[in-house]
Amino acid sequence: KQEVTQIPAALSVPEGENLVLNCSFTDSAIYNLQWFRQDPGKGLTSLLLIQSSQREQTSGRLNASLDKSSGRSTLYIAASQPGDSATYLCAVPVSGSARQLTFGSGTQLTVLP
Amino acid sequence: SAVISQKPSRDICQRGTSLTIQCQVDSQVTMMFWYRQQPGQSLTLIATANQGSEATYESGFVIDKFPISRPNLTFSTLTVSNMSPEDSSIYLCSVDPGVSYEQYFGPGTRLTVT
Repeated sequence: KQEVTQIPAALSVPEGENLVLNCSFTDSAIYNLQWFRQDPGKGLTSLLLIQSSQREQTSGRLNASLDKSSGRSTLYIAASQPGDSATYLCAVPVSGSARQLTFGSGTQLTVLP
Repeated sequence: SAVISQKPSRDICQRGTSLTIQCQVDSQVTMMFWYRQQPGQSLTLIATANQGSEATYESGFVIDKFPISRPNLTFSTLTVSNMSPEDSSIYLCSVDPGVSYEQYFGPGTRLTVT
């Protein structure tokens, strides 16, 4: 059974810092990995999708990497801003599936002005 | 991408009643899913809504408690039946347009059961 762990559970940084969020998963036979952002009481916004054949994906100040063999992914946020404050979730397909997702518990990020 | 709307956005319901949540997508999609997010928790998959056939439920979720309809490729409903306070959660639908396996989520329905 696929299990996803995110570390740290919470992170508070001053504005302008670069930061790294970590995600690990137990079953390395994944089709892809997706990072989401969730604002309090809201739905999820897709940030980045990394296919299993890729090593990383970039979107603006965000860069996500994937190491399937070690079961790890990182989300790098450059020059953090208060608007980046949210919960960040990583998700991978459940074992044997390409589409049904299992989620980590998230990292709650606070960027202080 | 896909634009997803859900109704209602939030509701407060009494124990023992039922609530039907609607999910509308702006394009035809094959795969639609329903997730639950309990307070302070991450998301858990409830079921896959299949067009033209019964939904496929995950372990721990049953059709009698969470009946799902999928009448066409742009719409689905999830009913939370015979509610108890433990059903208080955010319920989210998501879609996979099928091009790149990227999933998109609706804004969620915040349910409080008193």
